[in-house]
Amino acid sequence: RKEVEQDPGPFNVPEGATVAFNCTYSNSASQSFFWYRQDCRKEPKLLMSVYSSGNEDGRFTAQLNRASQYISLLIRDSKLSDSATYLCVVNIHVSGGYNKLIFGAGTRLAVHP
Amino acid sequence: DAGVIQSPRHEVTEMGQEVTLRCKPISGHNSLFWYRQTMMRGLELLIYFNNNVPIDDSGMPEDRFSAKMPNASFSTLKIQPSEPRDSAVYFCASSWTDSSYNSPLHFGNGTRLTVT
Repeated sequence: RKEVEQDPGPFNVPEGATVAFNCTYSNSASQSFFWYRQDCRKEPKLLMSVYSSGNEDGRFTAQLNRASQYISLLIRDSKLSDSATYLCVVNIHVSGGYNKLIFGAGTRLAVHP
Repeated sequence: DAGVIQSPRHEVTEMGQEVTLRCKPISGHNSLFWYRQTMMRGLELLIYFNNNVPIDDSGMPEDRFSAKMPNASFSTLKIQPSEPRDSAVYFCASSWTDSSYNSPLHFGNGTRLTVT
């Protein structure tokens, strides 16, 4: 089983739609979580961190369910510019007290007029 | 802030040749990561340095791959000899990390490697 799993999509939605992505992780000791966005042929960039109580940034809402080990990203009022791949990222402990970030394979979103 | 700087942006080489990828992390960051991205396998962590020391190299595919970080401002990823299956985009990223906290990663623009 992969450490971080996402539905690859693509999700094809019209402008203005609401779309949600889920991500599951296998390591119950994971401590922090992020969503990154990657445009075609570009590097990944941080979209938002995911906090235990859930958090919102404009049209974007992230939620964490530790009991079920999944995180979600909700995008409201989709824009054409939201078209990208969304990467779920989990911070896990490695030996020696260090952490490392594990990326999911990403979910592709295509917003059309 | 110049961000994470990688070179070259593109590299085309023949099978069997040595390839060296370079990275300059963001000043003040103490952690550096090398990732490889392909359509089939997504973004894979190859190796992770903290304070210039390799912490986790379990993702390095095989002995043909090696990475060094001689100082806080420079790292290299070397492939010798290169093979066509090494073709991918190689990203370097840096962050501030301690035992309880990982700041978000900042990625370089990547090096697109093609091995023919």
